[in-house]
Amino acid sequence: DAGVTQSPTHLIKTRGQQVTLRCSPKSGHDTVSWYQQALGQGPQFIFQYYEEEERQRGNFPDRFSGHQFPNYSSELNVNALLLGDSALYLCASSFREGTPTDTQYFGPGTRLTVL
Amino acid sequence: DAKTTQPPSMDCAEGRAANLPCNHSTISGNEYVYWYRQIHSQGPQYIIHGLKNNETNEMASLIITEDRKSSTLILPHATLRDTAVYYCIVRSYNTDKLIFGTGTRLQVFP
Repeated sequence: DAGVTQSPTHLIKTRGQQVTLRCSPKSGHDTVSWYQQALGQGPQFIFQYYEEEERQRGNFPDRFSGHQFPNYSSELNVNALLLGDSALYLCASSFREGTPTDTQYFGPGTRLTVL
Repeated sequence: DAKTTQPPSMDCAEGRAANLPCNHSTISGNEYVYWYRQIHSQGPQYIIHGLKNNETNEMASLIITEDRKSSTLILPHATLRDTAVYYCIVRSYNTDKLIFGTGTRLQVFP
C-alpha cells in the first residue's frame, strides 16, 4: 500500500518564478492538506482540499494556490517566488470519515530553494 | 486552538523508556491531543492521539491527566531510530489544520 508521495523531491528556482508541486494521497484517502516548513520551525498549514475545493486556509497570501483533481491528487502552486518561500513543502492526506479524528499522514516533502 | 508547551530537548538511553511531556492547560472539551514525530528532513510521522482516555498502540502510549491539562507520550523501549523531533498538537474536532509548535528534540544515546 503506497503512502503519500510527492514530486519533485528537490527544486531550485529564482526569485519571481512560479513553481508547481505535486502530491498523490495515500490509497483510500480523499483529502489533501499542504504545509510549509521553514528551517528549524514546525510545519505551518497552508490549505486543505476536499472534493476538489479549498476547504480551509491558513495565513498565506494569494500567491499560494492549489488544485485537487478527480483522482484526489493535488498540486500546490506558488507565484512570484520570494527568497522567504524557501522551505520544505509537505503534503498530508486523510480520509473524511465524518468523525473529528481523520488522521493526516504526511509525505516526504519537496525541498524548494529560491535563489 | 489551545497552545502546547514542550521542553526543547531531552535525552534518553537506548532501551530505556522515553517520557515526553506536553502542557496544554487551555485545552477545551472537544480538543484532541495528537503526537507526531519528524526524523531529520523527513515528513512528520503520526504516532498516536487521544481525547481523555489513555491510549496505546504499537508505537507508544499516551497518558492524559484527568484534568486534561497535560499529557505524556511514552516510548517504552527507546532505540536509536527514535531520535527525532516530537510534536504535541491540540486539535479541535471542527478544524482540519494541525498547528505545530517547535516540539521536543529527543536524542537517544547508546
